[in-house]
Amino acid sequence: EPEVTQTPSHQVTQMGQEVILRCVPISNHLYFYWYRQILGQKVEFLVSFYNNEISEKSEIFDDQFSVERPDGSNFTLKIRSTKLEDSAMYFCATRERGHTEAFFGQGTRLTVV
Amino acid sequence: AQSVTQLDSQVPVFEEAPVELRCNYSSSVSVYLFWYVQYPNQGLQLLLKYLSGSTLVKGINGFEAEFNKSQTSFHLRKPSVHISDTAEYFCAVRSSSASKIIFGSGTRLSIRP
Repeated sequence: EPEVTQTPSHQVTQMGQEVILRCVPISNHLYFYWYRQILGQKVEFLVSFYNNEISEKSEIFDDQFSVERPDGSNFTLKIRSTKLEDSAMYFCATRERGHTEAFFGQGTRLTVV
Repeated sequence: AQSVTQLDSQVPVFEEAPVELRCNYSSSVSVYLFWYVQYPNQGLQLLLKYLSGSTLVKGINGFEAEFNKSQTSFHLRKPSVHISDTAEYFCAVRSSSASKIIFGSGTRLSIRP
């Protein structure tokens, strides 16, 4: 069964460093999302991406964050200068055009120290 | 704007007992409704979805949910739970005119032997 693949599964970074989280969407899915889940809290929407541009973003997704699809396969989330409060599980999700549900990856646990 | 409320943060039940996890939503437009499950240290897996039509939807692992438009609810039920159902369950909503999925705060289902 096709699945969304995220790498790395766990990343530890120092405060102020840049991190890039990677996602390989399910083939032929055209809608891409990033969500985050701070430990013990709800799953929060960050950004949606379609047709090579951001279609919607939340208040969390400030100038420190960016997304891109650099090579037509990977979908990345970049955090430019990490803060302690960026520590969370980050989920990538993708959706096929004409379908309602999104499929989630296993997540990347980001720990900022 | 859409929102989702899960009334119970934790639900403890005995094995083989029935369970109901409550979810209410608010939206000014028509919506799609979902239940996702998150097993410990894993990603989000779709349990079931409501798009239109029959208000009772069946999902994987013996779960079902009933859409009630007048009460704006989408409660999840299972007639007999198993230890393996121990997980966090998230109700989610997506507007028919938007792309992002909004999650509730989650309900932790714990099964006692």
